Amino acid sequence: QKEVEQNSGPLSVPEGAIASLNCTYSDRGSQSFFWYRQYSGKSPELIMFIYSNGDKEDGRFTAQLNKASQYVSLLIRDSQPSDSATYLCAVQARGKLIFGQGTELSVKP
Amino acid sequence: EADIYQTPRYLVIGTGKKITLECSQTMGHDKMYWYQQDPGMELHLIHYSYGVNSTEKGDLSSESTVSRIRTEHFPLTLESARPSHTSQYLCASSGPGSRYNEQFFGPGTRLTVL
Repeated sequence: QKEVEQNSGPLSVPEGAIASLNCTYSDRGSQSFFWYRQYSGKSPELIMFIYSNGDKEDGRFTAQLNKASQYVSLLIRDSQPSDSATYLCAVQARGKLIFGQGTELSVKP
Repeated sequence: EADIYQTPRYLVIGTGKKITLECSQTMGHDKMYWYQQDPGMELHLIHYSYGVNSTEKGDLSSESTVSRIRTEHFPLTLESARPSHTSQYLCASSGPGSRYNEQFFGPGTRLTVL
């Protein structure tokens, strides 16, 4: 079992819809959680950070964390074609960032 | 925009050659990392450093070596390149000054070994 697992993609949503990306992790001692976006051929860039249970909103992005269930998610409201990318969940554990395998999102016009 | 640089951006080289991939950051970060990523695949940590003269191997076994003689510089060396080393290599850094202690990534070096 991988330490950080993401739902398999690719995920395809129509423009304007809500995209929901999920991630589970195995280390209960994990404290910080990140969502990175990676466009094809580019390097990852941070889009969301969350460390406490509940929701954190930033524009069209909402990160949700449930430490009891070891679950973190990313919601993208009003999805745009420019949101088409691979989204990487990363968990801070034992002093390192552990990345999931990523979920590819495709937003269709 | 993160101030982390990688050179070269693209490298095509023959088997058996020695190569060094350069990574520099101007953010004063103490921690630096090297990842390997094949197209469409996940990131694999191959080396990391928490400061000058400190280097550790990552989760993915790699034939490469690294050094950290200066805070801002973290080069990766392959003594004898092989086709199996063909991949994208991403350098990252983190440390004081970053809002969430997140990692900032460089643009990457795409290596092809013929």
